[in-house]
Formats: sequence, structure tokens, C-alpha cells
Amino acid sequence: NAGVTQTPKFQVLKTGQSMTLQCAQDMNHNSMYWYRQDPGMGLRLIYYSASEGTTDKGEVPNGYNVSRLNKREFSLRLESAAPSQTSVYFCASLRLPNQPQHFGDGTRLSIL
Amino acid sequence: GQQLNQSPQSMFIQEGEDVSMNCTSSSIFNTWLWYKQDPGEGPVLLIALYKAGELTSNGRLTAQFGITRKDSFLNISASIPSDVGIYFCAGNSEGQGGKLIFGQGTELSVKP
Repeated sequence: NAGVTQTPKFQVLKTGQSMTLQCAQDMNHNSMYWYRQDPGMGLRLIYYSASEGTTDKGEVPNGYNVSRLNKREFSLRLESAAPSQTSVYFCASLRLPNQPQHFGDGTRLSIL
Repeated sequence: GQQLNQSPQSMFIQEGEDVSMNCTSSSIFNTWLWYKQDPGEGPVLLIALYKAGELTSNGRLTAQFGITRKDSFLNISASIPSDVGIYFCAGNSEGQGGKLIFGQGTELSVKP
């Protein structure tokens, strides 16, 4: 049982390149989330999908788009990467709103 | 918007010592969660709290949901080297669809 799987684990991009980060969960969870983690700032919510077919902005959505492809998969896209988007990106999922989120191991993204 | 302050930012302790960290919120939370993050991995849930005043233990870890619903603390007793990592508090409010607000994290170092 893999839980939440993120790919790739590492990526280096040049400014202006595009990139899609993939996330899949096998726990039949309804809600999925994308966070970025920067030193000293905890985790900040980029976008989330409360249920299949819906997506909403979080705290820091600018420069990103998301797709809830099906119940299992939630992807995050950077259309034109900027150095300020260098970060560690985490995907999380949960079954019901009052239950804890489960996290993937992260994607470490560097933009030069 | 909602804010969550976690303190201390970092702690350097001797093996065997007890540790305490806390979080305070600008608004009322329905759920308080404590996560631990090891280097290169995603956050892992330690303790979940769902009721004001609730005190829950998980081995050497104890956490409490403050009666004002605006704070929570985590205690670690008799620390060991594998307790090293970053500890995050997170909270969830009514009607937020499972969205979490995270504290900035407490980085714990344990000297053998």
C-alpha cells in the first residue's frame, strides 16, 4: 500500500520552462492538496481539490495550475517556472474533512 | 487570514531531557494535529486532537487541545536521538473543507 506517491522526487528547471508534478493516492481519499515548503515558513497551501471534479485556490496559487484528473490523481503545473518557485512541494490527501492529511515524500524543485 | 504561531523555532537538548513546544492561533480550531518531518521525507502524523481539553498520548509524546480552542502543546519525554526532526502543528476550522493551517515548525536537535 503506497499511500501518497509523488513524481518526480527531484527536478532542476531553467527559468521559463514548464513542468507538471504528479501526485497519486491509493487510499480512496476524497480530498487532495498541494503545498510548498520553504525554510522557516512551514507548509503553505497552493491549491486543493475537496472532491473529484473540483479545485480551489489556497494561500499561494499564483504561478500554478492544477488538474484533478480522477479521484486518485492531482497534478500541479508550473507554466513558466521562476526562481521564486524553487521549493519542496508536497501533495497530501484525506478521506473526510475532520480527518488528518497524509503526505507524500515531496518533490524537490530547483529553478535556475 | 488565519495565523498560527509555533514556538520555539528550534531547540537543542541533551538526550534524556523532556521537550515542550506549543502553537497559538488567531482563531478557533476544531482540530489540532501534530506532525513530524524527517529530512527528505514528508510530514508524518503523530497525534490528532478533536475536542477542547483533550489530552492524548502516543508513547513518549503527549499533546493537548487547549480549552480556548486557540492553542495546543506537544510534550516529548525522555528524548532520544531519533526524535531529531522538525515538528509541525496544524489546525483546521469548521467549514474549511479539511484545509489545514500549519505552524512554522520547531526544529529539534538531540545531543547523545
